[in-house]
Amino acid sequence: EVQLVESGGGLVQPGGSLRLSCAASGFTVSSNYMSWVRQAPGKGLEWVSVIYSGGSTYYADSVKGRFTISRDNSKNTLYLQMNSLRAEDTAVYYCARDAPGSYGPYYYYYMDVWGKGTTVTVSS
Amino acid sequence: SSELTQDPAVSVALGQTVRITCQGDSLRSYYASWYQQKPGQAPVLVIYGKNNRPSGIPDRFSGSSSGNTASLTITGAQAEDEADYYCNSRDSSGNLVVFGGGTKLTVL
Repeated sequence: EVQLVESGGGLVQPGGSLRLSCAASGFTVSSNYMSWVRQAPGKGLEWVSVIYSGGSTYYADSVKGRFTISRDNSKNTLYLQMNSLRAEDTAVYYCARDAPGSYGPYYYYYMDVWGKGTTVTVSS
Repeated sequence: SSELTQDPAVSVALGQTVRITCQGDSLRSYYASWYQQKPGQAPVLVIYGKNNRPSGIPDRFSGSSSGNTASLTITGAQAEDEADYYCNSRDSSGNLVVFGGGTKLTVL
């Protein structure tokens, strides 16, 4: 069964750090594009970061320089290292498989597998 | 970067047809994908590409695109379709991911 399971969330003080994990089963993380998406309480989905199969990484402006996405191929696990956390980082964090496709001259991407999410609360 | 704009809320009578739209410059180059999210649950992919439905998604869900606007249509809306719907795509560079602000669908 294709599945993603996040872990590592919790309560952390402003300025602190946390590392989220996303364990995959049924497919290989390193062969796929993988994204982190978050959702603050009562708000919409916000993309956080992506790692492409070739290893390139990209970040939303709101987390650039503070968050780092990575993967461990031997553990088939995706990570999000979060440093210098702020109150506005409080959210449910989801990992998702981010698949590419094309049709004629158009490209598309779709997140077809999602984890259930892990909650990060930044508060003193 | 690029933004995707959605109407915050839409309502539809039970059994009727509703269209949820998503606008953005990047949609001239990329098809949008659409996600359904119910309270307390993770998002679920409902439409991707030109008009593809993942396994298990009812065929009352369909997608279309014209110019800078992508649309999700639910033909014969059911009570269980009441949820938040999000579009997403890439920005004009193709590297960054963007989500629309979401549309809350109410089935009356």
